[in-house]
Amino acid sequence: AQKITQTQPGMFVQEKEAVTLDCTYDTSDQSYGLFWYKQPSSGEMIFLIYQGSYDEQNATEGRYSLNFQKARKSANLVISASQLGDSAMYFCAPLRQGAQKLVFGQGTRLTINP
Amino acid sequence: DAMVIQNPRYQVTQFGKPVTLSCSQTLNHNVMYWYQQKSSQAPKLLFHYYDKDFNNEADTPDNFQSRRPNTSFCFLDIRSPGLGDAAMYLCATSAGVGYEQYFGPGTRLTVT
Repeated sequence: AQKITQTQPGMFVQEKEAVTLDCTYDTSDQSYGLFWYKQPSSGEMIFLIYQGSYDEQNATEGRYSLNFQKARKSANLVISASQLGDSAMYFCAPLRQGAQKLVFGQGTRLTINP
Repeated sequence: DAMVIQNPRYQVTQFGKPVTLSCSQTLNHNVMYWYQQKSSQAPKLLFHYYDKDFNNEADTPDNFQSRRPNTSFCFLDIRSPGLGDAAMYLCATSAGVGYEQYFGPGTRLTVT
């Protein structure tokens, strides 16, 4: 089974600071994708950002960016200028080429303090 | 706005009483998924449809069934809910394999 590691079960950050959420994964595939999702307390999973393993540039989407290090098999999510509304669970999910399902990591609970 | 809708948002059922959860989408996506998420855990895939092609996860209990009568709708049937089936049930859609998934707001199921 694919192993996904999010080493930070919980993080507390001051508003307006940047925060990095870690994700490492175990795959022998050369071609794959990496998704990050946000889950607020309401329960809905919100797609944030995607990185393809062959993308030359790190993915960026507004205040979200990925620090993708293919050799280390890590794709850390960076949130710049954090806001109170960023408080949520964050899940990373690699997707192997040809696979039809996402497997989620255990998640990191991020709390933004005012 | 195109979206994924789940009804009801909260469902209470009795032990052993069949229950059906509903999901609909206006995205016209080919793939629809059902996930189970228990407290403080990651979502766990139960099954998915690629068009009409049903794909069951190996560890999904037989108690869980699904129907997809058309592109827009997908149902999760729990034939005899047990206390251990109390969870959040998330429906998601995607345009195809390898594409991002869009989730509905979830149905929180309570079993009494």
